Amino acid sequence: GENVEQHPSTLSVQEGDSAVIKCTYSDSASNYFPWYKQELGKRPQLIIDIRSNVGEKKDQRIAVTLNKTAKHFSLHITETQPEDSAVYFCAASESGNQFYFGTGTSLTVIP
Amino acid sequence: DSGVTQTPKHLITATGQRVTLRCSPRSGDLSVYWYQQSLDQGLQFLIQYYNGEERAKGNILERFSAQQFPDLHSELNLSSLELGDSALYFCASGPSGGADEQFFGPGTRLTVL
Repeated sequence: GENVEQHPSTLSVQEGDSAVIKCTYSDSASNYFPWYKQELGKRPQLIIDIRSNVGEKKDQRIAVTLNKTAKHFSLHITETQPEDSAVYFCAASESGNQFYFGTGTSLTVIP
Repeated sequence: DSGVTQTPKHLITATGQRVTLRCSPRSGDLSVYWYQQSLDQGLQFLIQYYNGEERAKGNILERFSAQQFPDLHSELNLSSLELGDSALYFCASGPSGGADEQFFGPGTRLTVL
């Protein structure tokens, strides 16, 4: 089965700096890679996703890159703000069947 | 609000008991996914249903079962509960069960005493 590894487990950055979270996956059949943000006690919410036919996707301050050859994908948050503080999860799926999640990264943005 | 509803919000029960968690997907969504999130843990995929049929199975214990009804709501049944089953249980729904965004419900927090 698929194995998704996520690093780092915790990340602290100064407000305005960039944050990068990295994930690797094992199953080359995985073709959909969403990222979720989860605030304490709340539901996970999709912040960005990428499909295997795309190498990079941006949405304002958030970007995701995918390297299919190396089987890794990364989340980049620029100009971080205190409200970006949360736990971020990456996931991998083959066509929407069985989503495998990373173990999460707790991001703290220090004002 | 994602449009996915889950009941109950909180559930406190004793070891050995059986509980049922309920999920109503967003209007029009055919696929339902169930996840378990233990304290300080990631999301563990349990099972997926699409239009009433089981589509994928993850790390779901034999003591757990689920089904999706003709009106597309889903129930997750947990039996012979153990202390370690205490967790937040999320369901999520998606339009096609394919590589689409999942919309998560607010979760049911289960505490087994």
